[in-house]
Amino acid sequence: EPEVTQTPSHQVTQMGQEVILRCVPISNHLYFYWYRQILGQKVEFLVSFYNNEISEKSEIFDDQFSVERPDGSNFTLKIRSTKLEDSAMYFCACRGIRNTEAFFGQGTRLTVV
Amino acid sequence: KQEVTQIPAALSVPEGENLVLNCSFTDSAIYNLQWFRQDPGKGLTSLLLIQSSQREQTSGRLNASLDKSSGRSTLYIAASQPGDSATYLCAVRASGGSYIPTFGRGTSLIVHP
Repeated sequence: EPEVTQTPSHQVTQMGQEVILRCVPISNHLYFYWYRQILGQKVEFLVSFYNNEISEKSEIFDDQFSVERPDGSNFTLKIRSTKLEDSAMYFCACRGIRNTEAFFGQGTRLTVV
Repeated sequence: KQEVTQIPAALSVPEGENLVLNCSFTDSAIYNLQWFRQDPGKGLTSLLLIQSSQREQTSGRLNASLDKSSGRSTLYIAASQPGDSATYLCAVRASGGSYIPTFGRGTSLIVHP
């Protein structure tokens, strides 16, 4: 069964450092998403991406965040200057054009110290 | 703004019991509703997807129903097993405009032998 792959599974970084979280979506899917889940809280939407541009973003997705598809397969989330409150599980998701079901990766646990 | 509520927040049952998890949403103009399973510290696994035109979906011991008019969905788990222990999340995707799913906080289920 096709799956969404995220790397790394766990990242520890110092406050103020830049991090890049990577995702390899399912190959024929065209809609991509990033979500985060702070420990013990709800899964929250960050951003959606289609046709090489952001289609929607939440108020969480401020100027510290950016997304791109650098090589047509990977989908990345960059946090420029991490804060303690960025510590969370970050999930990548994707879906196809006709398939309305969203498929999620296993997540990257980001710990900012 | 769509609000998704899941009741109960936590549930502990003996193995073999049939159980019902509840999800309610405030805006009935939905595109679909998806149930996920999340194991501790892990990603989201899609269980069932119900389109707005459907009343229920079944997969093995799982059955999900949808009543749009009352803003409710239930996930029925038959003959529960210890391996069913996980957090179950409900996500509602709106129709028209944003297609971003809104998640509930989840129901944490423990099935003890």
